[in-house]
Amino acid sequence: DVKVTQSSRYLVKRTGEKVFLECVQDMDHENMFWYRQDPGLGLRLIYFSYDVKMKEKGDIPEGYSVSREKKERFSLILESASTNQTSMYLCASSKGIQETQYFGPGTRLLVL
Amino acid sequence: GENVEQHPSTLSVQEGDSAVIKCTYSDSASNYFPWYKQELGKRPQLIIDIRSNVGEKKDQRIAVTLNKTAKHFSLHITETQPEDSAVYFCAAYSFSGSARQLTFGSGTQLTVLP
Repeated sequence: DVKVTQSSRYLVKRTGEKVFLECVQDMDHENMFWYRQDPGLGLRLIYFSYDVKMKEKGDIPEGYSVSREKKERFSLILESASTNQTSMYLCASSKGIQETQYFGPGTRLLVL
Repeated sequence: GENVEQHPSTLSVQEGDSAVIKCTYSDSASNYFPWYKQELGKRPQLIIDIRSNVGEKKDQRIAVTLNKTAKHFSLHITETQPEDSAVYFCAAYSFSGSARQLTFGSGTQLTVLP
């Protein structure tokens, strides 16, 4: 079974804080993704990575950065959290480009 | 980039009836179309997908159809059951230009009434 885990289920941060969200997959998948889920907007891609140390911007990268130092780990960084970044963040991984994406349980982030 | 529109945003059906969710996409280069189901409080999971060289695909009570000319694809659920209640997301994968990513629709909340 593919297992994708995220470091926190719930996070509360203050405006201006630096926030780290971590994602780990245990199936040696090449591809990893960070999405943001908001009601009525579906899943929007923030960043993705096709290989270690490689990253590409998705549809809404502003205010975010990512790091992939190891194949199994993909981190999302909010350099200076703002209230409009309050959301559910979902990590996913896949073996191939057009193959099933396996999602983590999500991190619900509240920025006050 | 790719734009995926999904309708309806909410859908209620009686148990045993059929449900249909429709999506349109903008990029004619899109060639892979998965559907994900997200139950309340859980993570999205793939339920079925279709590639552009196929017009229809079935898996038990679930089917997906693809019309490349019209650039739309649909999810059909027959004999609905209460456990089908969830949010369903369509998605399209595009290779056009610099975009190589899956773009999701906005989701459909399906409620199956007992």
